[in-house]
Amino acid sequence: IHMTQSPSSLSASVGDTITIACRASQSISRSLNWYQQRPGKVPKLLIYGASTLQSGVPSRFSGGGSGTDFTLTISSLQPEDFSTYYCQQSYTSPIFTFGPGTKVEIK
Amino acid sequence: QLHLQESGPGLVRPSETLSLTCTVSGDSMSRVIFYWGWIRQPPGKGLEWIGNVDYSGSTYYTSSLKNRVSIHMDTSKKQLSLNLSSVTAADTAVYYCARSYDSSGYGRFDSWGQGAPVTVSS
Repeated sequence: IHMTQSPSSLSASVGDTITIACRASQSISRSLNWYQQRPGKVPKLLIYGASTLQSGVPSRFSGGGSGTDFTLTISSLQPEDFSTYYCQQSYTSPIFTFGPGTKVEIK
Repeated sequence: QLHLQESGPGLVRPSETLSLTCTVSGDSMSRVIFYWGWIRQPPGKGLEWIGNVDYSGSTYYTSSLKNRVSIHMDTSKKQLSLNLSSVTAADTAVYYCARSYDSSGYGRFDSWGQGAPVTVSS
């Protein structure tokens, strides 16, 4: 299963609401996870099962979608949210695939 | 609190075998709901899933590397190992070990090691 993300990068300001899209090459039901990777840091799980927030993740992060199309929305963007975000399918678990990533930069 | 720590050579010569170990502390490696995996990230690029091993030792690999990669788990030592043969410069990356927690039918990497940078160069 091939994963794509759009856009590949975006510029936004603190306080903005942004949405990142992830698409699977075939239906993956809701088996879609989102990770955040700050520069030079280890990836961190944000959302699993398309929309379930991992423990400790702020509620300004939300996920949606099913089938082939998914979204990650960050409301009221904070300075620490400027990172690269990756989607990952687990429909074919234990064989996984990551998307190419979306870099969120400060405008 | 689960902790994963990668270790191994930071420099590997072309055509040789890259070998890394991940030591796990804070939880059992033998639970059915866990997979233990390796993910890599070339400099300036995205994440690439390499492979997983389950509680029974069964392994699963990405198709692009399956002819060169092997992953093993030693539950008595609480270690996960990665071997990647015939390396080239394209294998230069930070290598992460991670635990995939598979509950509710949604496997996800919820714990990661700090990453081991590996450079392939003569």
